[in-house]
Amino acid sequence: EVQLVQSGGGLVQPGGSLRLSCAASGLIVSSNYMSWVRQAPGKGLEWVSLIYSGGNTNYADSVKGRFTIARDNSKNTLYLQMNSLRAEDTGVYYCARVLQPREQRLAPGSNDYWGHGTLVTVSS
Amino acid sequence: EIVMTQSPATLSVSPGERATLSCRASQSFSSNLAWYQQKPGQAPRLLIYGTSTRATAIPVRFSASGSGTEFTLTISSLQSEDFAVYYCQQYNNWPYTFGQGTKLEIK
Repeated sequence: EVQLVQSGGGLVQPGGSLRLSCAASGLIVSSNYMSWVRQAPGKGLEWVSLIYSGGNTNYADSVKGRFTIARDNSKNTLYLQMNSLRAEDTGVYYCARVLQPREQRLAPGSNDYWGHGTLVTVSS
Repeated sequence: EIVMTQSPATLSVSPGERATLSCRASQSFSSNLAWYQQKPGQAPRLLIYGTSTRATAIPVRFSASGSGTEFTLTISSLQSEDFAVYYCQQYNNWPYTFGQGTKLEIK
């Protein structure tokens, strides 16, 4: 059974930093594409970052240069380092595994396993 | 960036009836579209990927279709557990983007 257990959220002042963790079991983080998706209070979903199995990364423009996605293969854990936090970064952050379809004609890019989410509040 | 627009914002349907949700993309693409269901306080749940392929353990009453800029999710006979918010998401181009959601409520 796949489980993604998140930790690291909390209250932080504007300009501060926070690191989110996502410990995986039942899958190997380094062998998968992994993502971070966030949801502002009462709002929709926003894909924040993606790390490919090869190590390449992508970021939403809204977080580029401030957030860093990374993984620790020995701990089978995904991270999101968030620096220079702003009020608009407030929300629930989810880690997720990107599905690799069995159908060869289909590309990866949807999230099939999700963490439970962790709340980040940026406020003075 | 591909903008995804869902309609309607809220859909009121009676249990047992059919619901049709729409998702329009600002640019044309094929296949790389997913649908999710989200209930309050829960993470999203993947329903559909590749425009029309049901994810693991998703009931057959969920079906989807589309291409180009128009995509549709259909729930054939609504059950009580289906009332939730539904999101479409494109993964054709980075940044991957979601629609703003359709809230499916009990009529």
